[in-house]
Amino acid sequence: EIVLTQSPGTLSLSPGERATLSCRASQSVSSSYLAWYQQKPGQAPRLLIYGTSNRATGIPDRFSGSGSGTDFTLTISRLEPEDFAVYCCQQYGGSPQTWTFGQGTKVEIK
Amino acid sequence: QLQLQESGPGLVKPSETLSLTCTVSGGSISSSSYYWGWIRQPPGKGLEWIGSIYSRGNTYYNPSLKSRVTISIDTSKNQFSLNLSSVTAVDTAVYYCARLESSLAYWGQGTLVTVSS
Repeated sequence: EIVLTQSPGTLSLSPGERATLSCRASQSVSSSYLAWYQQKPGQAPRLLIYGTSNRATGIPDRFSGSGSGTDFTLTISRLEPEDFAVYCCQQYGGSPQTWTFGQGTKVEIK
Repeated sequence: QLQLQESGPGLVKPSETLSLTCTVSGGSISSSSYYWGWIRQPPGKGLEWIGSIYSRGNTYYNPSLKSRVTISIDTSKNQFSLNLSSVTAVDTAVYYCARLESSLAYWGQGTLVTVSS
């Protein structure tokens, strides 16, 4: 079973700053199967990035994803007020079919 | 636009079975080769995949919950359902239904289920 560990737990930044979030897997993950989500209080998660680096429909280009193997990164180039939220990574294991989530990183206003 | 909506009791007693249904609109649950599944989120905690069902009926469950989970699909109603037996307080969570590919682009709004006597 693959475990996803996100760091840091909380990131305190100001609007306009750059945010770098890490997701580390306990075993190698296919780059095709790593995704990132944004979640705001009381809302369902929203898909941001799929396949490590592909932005989902309607996602602004200030969000970008990168990585391979066991280390993946979500970068928000310039934080907008609406970007303060919790972000989590997710991997898909194709055989057997499983979906695993990281515990999340909270990006809060400094 | 595909939409998913969870329904079911918001309060379940300990040792009983939690039952939820997800109604899919804006697309046929059987016409495409997708997985449909359930994810939960205890208050203040992260997301946990519970299980999934393929449009053709194959099921896949989280090993930690497998002994208590059943997911079924009703293509005539465009719905799929979750049964979680022998619940305890640790099963209190927001339960989401979703369409699953390698990532999850479509989610229901979520429904809070509290386990309490």
